[in-house]
This record gives sequence, C-alpha cells and structure tokens, in this order.
Amino acid sequence: KAGVTQTPRYLIKTRGQQVTLSCSPISGHRSVSWYQQTPGQGLQFLFEYFSETQRNKGNFPGRFSGRQFSNSRSEMNVSTLELGDSALYLCASTPGREQETQYFGPGTRLLVL
Amino acid sequence: GQQVMQIPQYQHVQEGEDFTTYCNSSTTLSNIQWYKQRPGGHPVFLIQLVKSGEVKKQKRLTFQFGEAKKNSSLHITATQTTDVGTYFCAGFSYNNNDMRFGAGTRLTVKP
Repeated sequence: KAGVTQTPRYLIKTRGQQVTLSCSPISGHRSVSWYQQTPGQGLQFLFEYFSETQRNKGNFPGRFSGRQFSNSRSEMNVSTLELGDSALYLCASTPGREQETQYFGPGTRLLVL
Repeated sequence: GQQVMQIPQYQHVQEGEDFTTYCNSSTTLSNIQWYKQRPGGHPVFLIQLVKSGEVKKQKRLTFQFGEAKKNSSLHITATQTTDVGTYFCAGFSYNNNDMRFGAGTRLTVKP
C-alpha cells in the first residue's frame, strides 16, 4: 500500500495570507489527524477527522480549520497567517478506531515571512 | 499546552553507551506509543504499551509502562549511530479524548 502523502511539501507565504494543505491517507484508512511540529513545542495536535466529521480538536485558534472528503482525503486551512505559524505540518492516518498506530506523512514545511 | 512531559530534551552519547528517555503524564493514559523521527524525516511508529507495568523489548530497545499508567520509559542498550533521531512518546488520554505527544528527546551518537 502507498503511504500517507502530503502536498505541497514546501510552502512560503507572507503574513496575512491563507494556506491550504492536503493529506491523502493510506488506502482504507478513515481517520486523519493533523499536527504542528516546531522545534520548541514538539508535536501539537490540531484536529482529527473521521468519516468527514471532526472527532477531536486541539487547542488552536479558529484560524486553523480542516475538513475531510468522502474519499478520506483531508485538507487543513490556516487563514491570516502569522510568523509563528511557520512549522512542519504533519498528517497521520489510522484505520479509524481510536488509540491506533498513527502512520505519518512526510509533512508540509510552511515558512511565513 | 503539553500534558505529556518528556525528558531529557537532548542527549549526546558515545557509541556503545546506553540511553534512556522518560515520559510523564499528568493524567492516566489508556495506552502509550513510542515513535522515532530521523533527522529530516517523519515520526515512525515503534511500539505500543497498553497494560499497567508492561515491558516490551525490540532487540536493543526496552519499553516500560508504569504501574499507574502515567509514565513510561524507553531504554536503548549499547547505542549505535543508526539510533540517531528524536524519540517521541504519545499517550491517549480519556480526559482529552485525543493523543498527546511529548516534546521528544533528541539523541545524537558520537562514533
């Protein structure tokens, strides 16, 4: 099976812009979680989608949003970008039951100037 | 903020020395998972512990889950240069109903 894929791999934006990141899970996986990884904060949980519904949500402002499509692909959107949003954004997929092994994608590295 | 604390943040060892990283949670966890992230890579699953007091081994790696299910450790015996990377613990908490990651321990190994 193909692994989790994320596009784009690298992105440069300026403050105030918005960005959309995409994640395609492993075939058959129905859950997609998003994480923000920064050197100082480690992996921070953003949200999880399962069957097109947000199942869990971390402590991020409303500028961070996501959605999941019927084919389980997920997108994450960040509006009104701030310098502090520069990070590696990782998505991870699981078959769907909670507490399962998470399979991570390669990530999208976002730089906000 | 983080509810899963991981120490140390960094560890530099000579090849052949042992290495241990510790993970502590403020709440009881239903399970704990360990991941390894090589430099420039993404986290890769190593193991999951579920039972109180559980100990699992993978070659030179030993994983433990505390009796109270609030702490865990990963011990590597006789480190090798291939062990270089950041090791993360991740615990599922019923309080938050989500997976919380520790900040990770970055291991460097001097040949």
